[in-house]
Amino acid sequence: DIQMTQSPSSLSASVGDRVTITCRASQSIAFYLNWYQQKPGKAPKLLIYGASNLHSGVPSRFSGSGSGTDFTLTISDLQPEDFATYYCQQSYSAPPDTFGQGTKLEIK
Amino acid sequence: EVQLVESGGGLVQPGGSLRLSCAASGFTFSTYWMHWVRQAPGKGLVWVSRINADGSSIAYADSVKGRFTISRDNAKNTLSLQMNSLRAEDAAVYYCLRWEPGVAFDCWGQGTLVAVSS
Repeated sequence: DIQMTQSPSSLSASVGDRVTITCRASQSIAFYLNWYQQKPGKAPKLLIYGASNLHSGVPSRFSGSGSGTDFTLTISDLQPEDFATYYCQQSYSAPPDTFGQGTKLEIK
Repeated sequence: EVQLVESGGGLVQPGGSLRLSCAASGFTFSTYWMHWVRQAPGKGLVWVSRINADGSSIAYADSVKGRFTISRDNAKNTLSLQMNSLRAEDAAVYYCLRWEPGVAFDCWGQGTLVAVSS
């Protein structure tokens, strides 16, 4: 199974900051990397698919990049509603569809 | 509006059974692969099972293989997960998801909580 590792596990930032979250796959997954946002008590929501494609309705301050084994999610100009937990997920080799362990973005 | 609504969660004793359901609406359910993902309290997301559009291809995580059964009724737009021989480690919120080809898990239900305790 492909393992997904996110870093950092948690992150503190302020409104207006630019933050980057990293996801690393245990083997090459080409561009088959997706990002989700989850707020407390809610279901995750798709942000980015195919490493860099913004899902419908997602603000343009979210962006994704990478290929192979290393990927990043960048949020520019952090807004109060962006404080949440973020998960990466590989869809290159499934089943199983594996997720990263999550990165909790907190307000500084 | 595309919508997935889970039901059937609750408290069950170790070794017991529970059947989760997911009602789909707002899209052509019979053309989509569907999945279950779970999340233990305070933990991350873990894939559980998936079924293809016509139900002919099914897969399970090793941790639930032989105990859980996924199924679907395309006439009723319903996805199900029969969970037998439940263990403490199966306690989680269970989400029903739609897989959009070329995209990802683009629609999630609100989740249903399964608690396993004596």
